[in-house]
Amino acid sequence: SQQGEEDPQALSIQEGENATMNCSYKTSINNLQWYRQNSGRGLVHLILIRSNEREKHSGRLRVTLDTSKKSSSLLITASRAADTASYFCATDDPTSYGKLTFGQGTILTVHP
Amino acid sequence: EPEVTQTPSHQVTQMGQEVILRCVPISNHLYFYWYRQILGQKVEFLVSFYNNEISEKSEIFDDQFSVERPDGSNFTLKIRSTKLEDSAMYFCASSETGGNNQPQHFGDGTRLSIL
Repeated sequence: SQQGEEDPQALSIQEGENATMNCSYKTSINNLQWYRQNSGRGLVHLILIRSNEREKHSGRLRVTLDTSKKSSSLLITASRAADTASYFCATDDPTSYGKLTFGQGTILTVHP
Repeated sequence: EPEVTQTPSHQVTQMGQEVILRCVPISNHLYFYWYRQILGQKVEFLVSFYNNEISEKSEIFDDQFSVERPDGSNFTLKIRSTKLEDSAMYFCASSETGGNNQPQHFGDGTRLSIL
């Protein structure tokens, strides 16, 4: 089974629009994190949401977590061309100590 | 803002050769990680390291792989006898403390190409 599957695989929007990406996972977690990866660069941590939290905001980012459905969503509001990147969710493993399991990612393209 | 730095950015090596990938984690961080990303695939956990010991390793991290913190700043990943399937981006990450509920800070990666 796959842990941390994002959809859509690719999303193309115009600047100013909102972008929503979803992530589903299969096993229990302590937290779920979202990362961004610009082409050819490393992963940049965006936001961490704990299993006892339902929603978290950071600037133009809004993350929700539904542990009953084992799903999370990342909303980027008022998108900019600079938001063009791949976005990954990553889940922890409560039985390990820091190991992250990443999804396949959503490729977001924001057209100016 | 402090960064994780990795060198080299691109390494080309003949199959069967040894390769060492280097990382300088953020200075006050205590936990270190290696991940890899084969082209078009997910980022995969390889190993975590704390207090000069491996904390956890994945099934990918077999006897051909080793990690070391040779001094107070560097953290290295060695592949003893490289295979074609080792071609991937290798990312180093560090976190201030270990465990879950900690963001990990990633370097820009080393692209390893095995010929």
